[in-house]
Amino acid sequence: AIQMTQSPSSLSASVGDRVTITCRASQAIRNDLGWYQQKPGKAPKLLIYAASSLQNGVPSRFSGSGSGTDFTLTISSLQPEDFATYYCLQDYTYPRTFGQGTKVEIK
Amino acid sequence: EVQLVESGGGLVQPGGSLRLSCAVSGFSVSDNYMAWVRQAPGKGLDWVSVIYSDGTTQYADSVKGRFTISRHISKNTLYLQMNSLRLEDTAVYYCAKERAGLERYYGMDVWGQGTTVTVSS
Repeated sequence: AIQMTQSPSSLSASVGDRVTITCRASQAIRNDLGWYQQKPGKAPKLLIYAASSLQNGVPSRFSGSGSGTDFTLTISSLQPEDFATYYCLQDYTYPRTFGQGTKVEIK
Repeated sequence: EVQLVESGGGLVQPGGSLRLSCAVSGFSVSDNYMAWVRQAPGKGLDWVSVIYSDGTTQYADSVKGRFTISRHISKNTLYLQMNSLRLEDTAVYYCAKERAGLERYYGMDVWGQGTTVTVSS
């Protein structure tokens, strides 16, 4: 199975900060990667698909980049509602595999 | 309205069985890839299984041979039959719709609210 290594596992940031989360695949996965946001007690929410395509209804401060093995999720200006845990998910092959998650906390 | 509603979770002893359901509205379960994803308490997301629109199924190694994914087309419902349950199967189980194109995939864009399975003696 493809391993997805996400970093950092947690970070503290302030409202307005630029935040970057990275995800590395154990083998090349083209651009077959999505990013999800999860808040406590809630289901995950798709933010980015195909590495850089913004899901309908997701604010433009979220962006994704990367191809092959290295991917990045960027939040250009962190808002109060963005404090959550973020996961990458490879959809290149089955079994699907998630990154370990990055918890974004308030500084 | 597009909606997924899971049910069937509960407390079960190790070695026991449970069947989860995911009632789908707003689209057809037979025309889409449908998946189960779980999350153990305080842990990350863990992909479990998928059923393709053509009925093909895939499983995580951790559940292969114990779990079976299926669907009932006329009821527009997805199922996960879980047998030989283990303590480590304790989790919130989510169903989700996976967008699939021609050999390309575009994320899980619709999720249910989850149902809790607790395996304990």
